[in-house]
Amino acid sequence: EAQVTQNPRYLITVTGKKLTVTCSQNMNHEYMSWYRQDPGLGLRQIYYSMNVEVTDKGDVPEGYKVSRKEKRNFPLILESPSPNQTSLYFCASSPERVGAPSFGPGTRLLVL
Amino acid sequence: AQSVAQPEDQVNVAEGNPLTVKCTYSVSGNPYLFWYVQYPNRGLQFLLKYITGDNLVKGSYGFEAEFNKSQTSFHLKKPSALVSDSALYFCAVRGSTLGRLYFGRGTQLTVWP
Repeated sequence: EAQVTQNPRYLITVTGKKLTVTCSQNMNHEYMSWYRQDPGLGLRQIYYSMNVEVTDKGDVPEGYKVSRKEKRNFPLILESPSPNQTSLYFCASSPERVGAPSFGPGTRLLVL
Repeated sequence: AQSVAQPEDQVNVAEGNPLTVKCTYSVSGNPYLFWYVQYPNRGLQFLLKYITGDNLVKGSYGFEAEFNKSQTSFHLKKPSALVSDSALYFCAVRGSTLGRLYFGRGTQLTVWP
């Protein structure tokens, strides 16, 4: 089944404890992105990648890192999480610039 | 600046009535527009997109959207609403920069029986 997977789906952590949220797609898509969803703010793009080793900042990149070493994987790294990063995170992929992104199921993160 | 506006936080309609969820956009160059739906505790599901061609785009679950270039709008419509259509709807536009995608804040649609 063609899909975007994220792990973990739920995560509770404490301030300053490094964490990684994994994202993987099996559709051979070139474009991948990370978004965060907050009530009343919609979805905001954190980082995106146009291909392996090509990444760039979105609207809210502060406090996040990404890497794209393989085409299928695009992990999101929070090196020192803070409570304002408590949010619902989505990974997405699309085959080309104008394609409709396919979204993963989301990761709900709580930073205490 | 590129952006999407969904002017209504909430839309309430009776089952069987037509529904409209509004979206306006601002983008450099040709707009590539999308509508997504999110049910509680679920991810985003793609409904439809406008890339080029006919201004009326048909999508999943009986939804359609009308692209209006002069008004920079891309309103989502359905002729007859169902209770099961109740969900959070997002409009999005591709930016001129490769890979950028801008979302509206979402519109909560409630269809009451």
